[in-house]
Amino acid sequence: DIQMTQSPSTLSASVGDRVTITCRASQSISSWLAWYQQKPGKAPKLLIYEASSLESGVPSRFSGSGSGTEFTLTISSLQPDDFATYYCQQYNSYWTFGQGTKVEIK
Amino acid sequence: EVQLVESGGGLVQPGGSLRLSCAASGFTFSSYWMSWVRQAPGKGLEWVANIKQDGSEKYYVDSVKGRFTISRDNAKNSLYLQMNSLRAEDTAVYYCARAVGSWGYYFDYWGQGTLVSVSS
Repeated sequence: DIQMTQSPSTLSASVGDRVTITCRASQSISSWLAWYQQKPGKAPKLLIYEASSLESGVPSRFSGSGSGTEFTLTISSLQPDDFATYYCQQYNSYWTFGQGTKVEIK
Repeated sequence: EVQLVESGGGLVQPGGSLRLSCAASGFTFSSYWMSWVRQAPGKGLEWVANIKQDGSEKYYVDSVKGRFTISRDNAKNSLYLQMNSLRAEDTAVYYCARAVGSWGYYFDYWGQGTLVSVSS
């Protein structure tokens, strides 16, 4: 089974900060990775697929990069609406989520 | 507008059964893989099961194999999850999600979730 490990688990940041979240796979998953945003009490929302493709309607301040085993989600300038928990998900072999990264207000 | 609406959650005793339903609208249901994803209270997301467009392929996370069955009725635009031999660790919000791609790669639309609580 492919394990997904995100870091950090919690991130404290301020509005306007550049934020980077890392996701590592236990084996190569090529570019078969998606990122989601989830707010409390709400369903997850797809942000990025195939490691770097921006889902329609998602602000351009979100970007994804990486391939193989190491991936990043970057928010170029953190906005108030971006305080949430973010999950990566691999779909190279079955489907596995990372444990999540909570972005909180500093 | 794509809509996914789950129902069927509730409180059940350990060892009991429950059937979740997901009513889909706003897209051609029979053209998509569909999935169930769950989230235990205060925990992260866990993929549970996927089903191919025609129901010919089904996949499960190891922890539910032999206990849960995913199915669909394309005529009714509905997805189901039959859950048997429920355990306390199955307690979670269960989300229905539409899966994109030839193998149901990632999840672009999600329902609001239905809560399943397993407790005596």
